[in-house]
Amino acid sequence: AQKVTQAQTEISVVEKEDVTLDCVYETRDTTYYLFWYKQPPSGELVFLIRRNSFDEQNEISGRYSWNFQKSTSSFNFTITASQVVDSAVYFCALSEGGSSNTGKLIFGQGTTLQVKP
Amino acid sequence: DTGVSQNPRHKITKRGQNVTFRCDPISEHNRLYWYRQTLGQGPEFLTYFQNEAQLEKSRLLSDRFSAERPKGSFSTLEIQRTEQGDSAMYLCASKEGGYTEAFFGQGTRLTVV
Repeated sequence: AQKVTQAQTEISVVEKEDVTLDCVYETRDTTYYLFWYKQPPSGELVFLIRRNSFDEQNEISGRYSWNFQKSTSSFNFTITASQVVDSAVYFCALSEGGSSNTGKLIFGQGTTLQVKP
Repeated sequence: DTGVSQNPRHKITKRGQNVTFRCDPISEHNRLYWYRQTLGQGPEFLTYFQNEAQLEKSRLLSDRFSAERPKGSFSTLEIQRTEQGDSAMYLCASKEGGYTEAFFGQGTRLTVV
């Protein structure tokens, strides 16, 4: 069965601190996709990144970076020099791949990030 | 295109009433998904359409729930005989086929009193 675990329920940091959000996943598929979404108070889930299981290269986009490690089934997300606007709930998600790719997402429970000024 | 649109944004209904939500996906997206999100939890998959065909339904989707996507464009989710446990945020998402990301609407928040 597929499962995503975000063990950190809430994180509070002061502006300009770096923060890492953890994500651990379980799947029997050899082809799969991992995602991070941001959910601000308005409710809309905003896509941040997609990674496929064959690409373990880390990625950096501005203040955001992602560390994908298949050996530990983890896909962690780091925000450098956090800002108040980063305050939101962040979700890690998993999607099966291959011939059974329906595109449906299995979400973790989310991590609420509060960045204080 | 302004993205995925959901209506209404909020709905308060009495227990036992029927409610219907609408989702307008991004126009060129052939896949459409419904998810349900309760407080403090991640979204849970309900059902999925490819064009007008409903290809998968979750066990969460009881007989009181029905979804349609006529002509492969907008979709509706109807809940009959609502119960207090149906109170949640209902999210719609759409995507192109293949290995692409899904784009979400702002959701419809349902409160059953």
